[in-house]
Amino acid sequence: NAGVTQTPKFQVLKTGQSMTLQCAQDMNHEYMSWYRQDPGMGLRLIHYSVGAGITDQGEVPNGYNVSRSTTEDFPLRLLSAAPSQTSVYFCASSLGGLSTEAFFGQGTRLTVV
Amino acid sequence: ELKVEQNPLFLSMQEGKNYTIYCNYSTTSDRLYWYRQDPGKSLESLFVLLSNGAVKQEGRLMASLDTKARLSTLHITAAVHDLSATYFCAVDWQGGSEKLVFGKGMKLTVNP
Repeated sequence: NAGVTQTPKFQVLKTGQSMTLQCAQDMNHEYMSWYRQDPGMGLRLIHYSVGAGITDQGEVPNGYNVSRSTTEDFPLRLLSAAPSQTSVYFCASSLGGLSTEAFFGQGTRLTVV
Repeated sequence: ELKVEQNPLFLSMQEGKNYTIYCNYSTTSDRLYWYRQDPGKSLESLFVLLSNGAVKQEGRLMASLDTKARLSTLHITAAVHDLSATYFCAVDWQGGSEKLVFGKGMKLTVNP
């Protein structure tokens, strides 16, 4: 089973460039989320979705956009990359409900120069 | 604002020893999650604790939840080198596993 698949695994951007991080899951999960992981900070929630067509902001949404047109896909868009967005980005999905954990993708390591 | 604090953040221990690590959170929640992360890798789910008094065990790791104290513990029994990793606890923010607030993580090193 593929689970949660993120692409690309590594990316270098110049300041001001835009890009989309891709996330796809094949588990028919309704809930999907994006987190960023910075050294010593744990993971912080950027945006999340509880189903196709429904998204909302997390703790650190500024500079990022999301959309959810299908159950399977939840892309994260960086509109104008800044060095402060250098981080490792994780996508997660979960079935929802009280007893389910989130499953994480392998991460995308993004460097903005 | 929900805050999750882990204690300690770094731990170096000898193989065969026992140790308990702590996770405190600041607002009411009935659900707490423990994850493991190896260097450069993704997060692997270890435990989902769903109610006050919940206790779960997997191998040398045992996790418990006290919702009244807003405290979870992760107890390591007879540590082995393979347990070396970073351990995160997380609490759901406003009631859903799609909105997790993580602690900063505890980096565990088990020495032979």
